[in-house]
Amino acid sequence: RKEVEQDPGPFNVPEGATVAFNCTYSNSASQSFFWYRQDCRKEPKLLMSVYSSGNEDGRFTAQLNRASQYISLLIRDSKLSDSATYLCAVGPGTYKYIFGTGTRLKVLA
Amino acid sequence: DAGVIQSPRHEVTEMGQEVTLRCKPISGHNSLFWYRQTMMRGLELLIYFNNNVPIDDSGMPEDRFSAKMPNASFSTLKIQPSEPRDSAVYFCASSFPVDTQYFGPGTRLTVL
Repeated sequence: RKEVEQDPGPFNVPEGATVAFNCTYSNSASQSFFWYRQDCRKEPKLLMSVYSSGNEDGRFTAQLNRASQYISLLIRDSKLSDSATYLCAVGPGTYKYIFGTGTRLKVLA
Repeated sequence: DAGVIQSPRHEVTEMGQEVTLRCKPISGHNSLFWYRQTMMRGLELLIYFNNNVPIDDSGMPEDRFSAKMPNASFSTLKIQPSEPRDSAVYFCASSFPVDTQYFGPGTRLTVL
């Protein structure tokens, strides 16, 4: 089993839709969780950290489920500009993140 | 503010040649990371420096790979000799504190 797993997608959704991705992790001692966004042929950029209590940033909501060992990212009111690959990163609380291979999102007009 | 700077952005070389990738981290960041990204394996950590000292090089695939950080503003990743299976995008990232990593634009390496 991979340490961090994501559904590769693509998730094809119409503009305005709500879409959610999950990222499962195998190390129960993991302490740090992040979502990164990566556009085609670009570098990953931090989208948001994931806190135990869940957190929201505009249309984006991130949640952590320690019991089932996964994090989620919810995007409401999808925009064409949200089309990208979303990478999750999981770490023990220090430097060594394990990145998922990403979930591709395509928002369709 | 300038982000992480990498050079070259693209490199095409022939098998057996030496390749040197360069990175300038964000000023004031004390942690530097080299990653490799491929379709099959995703983003993999190769090596981590803290305060210019290599802390974890367990991800370096083999002796053909080496990395240095002679000062706080410069790091290199060298592959010698290069092989076709080294073709990938190599990212440098920096952070302070350790949690939030900022990535450079990457070097797209093609080894023929």
